[in-house]
Amino acid sequence: NAGVTQTPKFRILKIGQSMTLQCTQDMNHNYMYWYRQDPGMGLKLIYYSVGAGITDKGEVPNGYNVSRSTTEDFPLRLELAAPSQTSVYFCASSKTGLNTEAFFGQGTRLTVV
Amino acid sequence: GNSVTQMEGPVTLSEEAFLTINCTYTATGYPSLFWYVQYPGEGLQLLLKATKADDKGSNKGFEATYRKETTSFHLEKGSVQVSDSAVYFCALSEKTGGGADGLTFGKGTHLIIQP
Repeated sequence: NAGVTQTPKFRILKIGQSMTLQCTQDMNHNYMYWYRQDPGMGLKLIYYSVGAGITDKGEVPNGYNVSRSTTEDFPLRLELAAPSQTSVYFCASSKTGLNTEAFFGQGTRLTVV
Repeated sequence: GNSVTQMEGPVTLSEEAFLTINCTYTATGYPSLFWYVQYPGEGLQLLLKATKADDKGSNKGFEATYRKETTSFHLEKGSVQVSDSAVYFCALSEKTGGGADGLTFGKGTHLIIQP
């Protein structure tokens, strides 16, 4: 069972470069999320989507963009990488919204230098 | 806005010891409460949940009871094993301050079990 798959697992970016973090799920979940995890700080919600074609901002959206053209895929775009975006990024999905279990990918460790 | 506070780590225990990890929350309504566990190099996995007051969630010997009067959801296990070593996150599910649908997490508690 694949679940939620994220690529790449690790990446080093230079300041000002751009990249896309890929996320795909095979559980036919409507809801998908992007979180970032900073050391000792828990996870913060960046963006989320309640279905194909619908996205919305979370707590920390600045510097990121998302799209949701299909139910399966929810890529996260960094346009101008900054050192403050050094973090571990997790994609997650859930069948419905608020009271259901979220399934997480294994994470992408991003370093901006 | 919503927030979750959990005890700072690391917490170091011997095998077979009793475990309590404290978690308290602030929310405007009636959130669902969760404990997630993160093993090294992996994503978070749901450990247990409770969706209303006085509910008890349980899984793999872990338990937590939703206490609305004390706004708490403490995680307990009677006898821990080395394999329980991980980071544990308390979380609540309610719309965030910005109206977003998502989980609000505590900072995580690193649990280390020594043989």
